[in-house]
Amino acid sequence: AQKVTQAQTEISVVEKEDVTLDCVYETRDTTYYLFWYKQPPSGELVFLIRRNSFDEQNEISGRYSWNFQKSTSSFNFTITASQVVDSAVYFCALNSNDYKLSFGAGTTVTVRA
Amino acid sequence: GAVVSQHPSRVICKSGTSVKIECRSLDFQATTMFWYRQFPKQSLMLMATSNEGSKATYEQGVEKDKFLINHASLTLSTLTVTSAHPEDSSFYICSARTASSYNSPLHFGNGTRLTVT
Repeated sequence: AQKVTQAQTEISVVEKEDVTLDCVYETRDTTYYLFWYKQPPSGELVFLIRRNSFDEQNEISGRYSWNFQKSTSSFNFTITASQVVDSAVYFCALNSNDYKLSFGAGTTVTVRA
Repeated sequence: GAVVSQHPSRVICKSGTSVKIECRSLDFQATTMFWYRQFPKQSLMLMATSNEGSKATYEQGVEKDKFLINHASLTLSTLTVTSAHPEDSSFYICSARTASSYNSPLHFGNGTRLTVT
């Protein structure tokens, strides 16, 4: 069985602050993939990043960065210098040797001007 | 990038009627599509896996006679909510992968907000 836990339900920050979203996962498989998706108020899900279990190199893409630590089963996501447009629900997700994607409960980020 | 189109975006229907939701992959072929359901302020729950040319695979607890899935072509899957009731009101989202590999990301439609009165 696989499980994704996003302990933070809601985070509220003021514009330009950094915000880090936590994600902890459980799986018995040695090969697996982790994802982050963004769901803005309009409802669609936007793919942000994919990371495989053999690649622990952290990544920065613009104002987004990801910290994958296999030793602690965590795949955290940071938004630097947040903007109002970053307000959304962010989902961490995992799949391993099947085609099903397991989602965390989501973290609602509110960025205030 | 890969585009998944879902229609309608919103639908309001009366209790007892059926509603059909379409999911199309616009610029790629999808042998497998997935249907998720999302309650307000909750996560996405996989309802079923739609397989082109064969029967859908339903998750435990999902009534297959209630939620009819048809995947007649490589670019179209439909979800029909039969004899809808207010408790079926929810946000339904379809998704597909551009490649058959399970590690390729899912691309999602914009979702359908169903309200049953």
